[in-house]
Amino acid sequence: GAGVSQSPSNKVTEKGKDVELRCDPISGHTALYWYRQSLGQGLEFLIYFQGNSAPDKSGLPSDRFSAERTGGSVSTLTIQRTQQEDSAVYLCASSLSPSGYNEQFFGPGTRLTVL
Amino acid sequence: AQKVTQAQTEISVVEKEDVTLDCVYETRDTTYYLFWYKQPPSGELVFLIRRNSFDEQNEISGRYSWNFQKSTSSFNFTITASQVVDSAVYFCALSDNRGNKLTFGTGTQLKVEL
Repeated sequence: GAGVSQSPSNKVTEKGKDVELRCDPISGHTALYWYRQSLGQGLEFLIYFQGNSAPDKSGLPSDRFSAERTGGSVSTLTIQRTQQEDSAVYLCASSLSPSGYNEQFFGPGTRLTVL
Repeated sequence: AQKVTQAQTEISVVEKEDVTLDCVYETRDTTYYLFWYKQPPSGELVFLIRRNSFDEQNEISGRYSWNFQKSTSSFNFTITASQVVDSAVYFCALSDNRGNKLTFGTGTQLKVEL
């Protein structure tokens, strides 16, 4: 079956511009996660969605970052007024349900470069 | 707070050698889950194995084996008879019972050479 998909695969933007990154989770997975992978910080948790519950935004690094999940499926991560330190690979993952037991399945990521 | 430490930044071995990747974790939870993920050069993280905090039985799956020891808070991963295709970054990760996020180690870059 189809895995987690993300678009675009690469995004180059100028400092100060807004960007939107998209994630399509595996069908039927109720939990969706965003992570960021950068050279200096490793893999960092950003935000977590579970069904219709309020998202866990505890990992978002600043108020320039926001995310939404429509209809319990597709999610969009938005970064406003991008900065060079936002350059990283943004990874989306989904799992069957929000139990620590369930493994997370990761997408291929979006590589963001802020010039 | 949860923490995962992978002290080995990079390991290089010659094909057919055995290699062990170390992982040490910290958590105050009594129920938790440990994972190993592989990230090949293509970039996509691939799930390898999960262990819960109540299951200390070690496992062998083909060329892979895992050693989970609660007494030392370690969850080590061994590849027997390594192959070039095993070259990748390996991440150890920790989740609490709620499953709201994974805490990752910094990863170990494994290079298997001919």
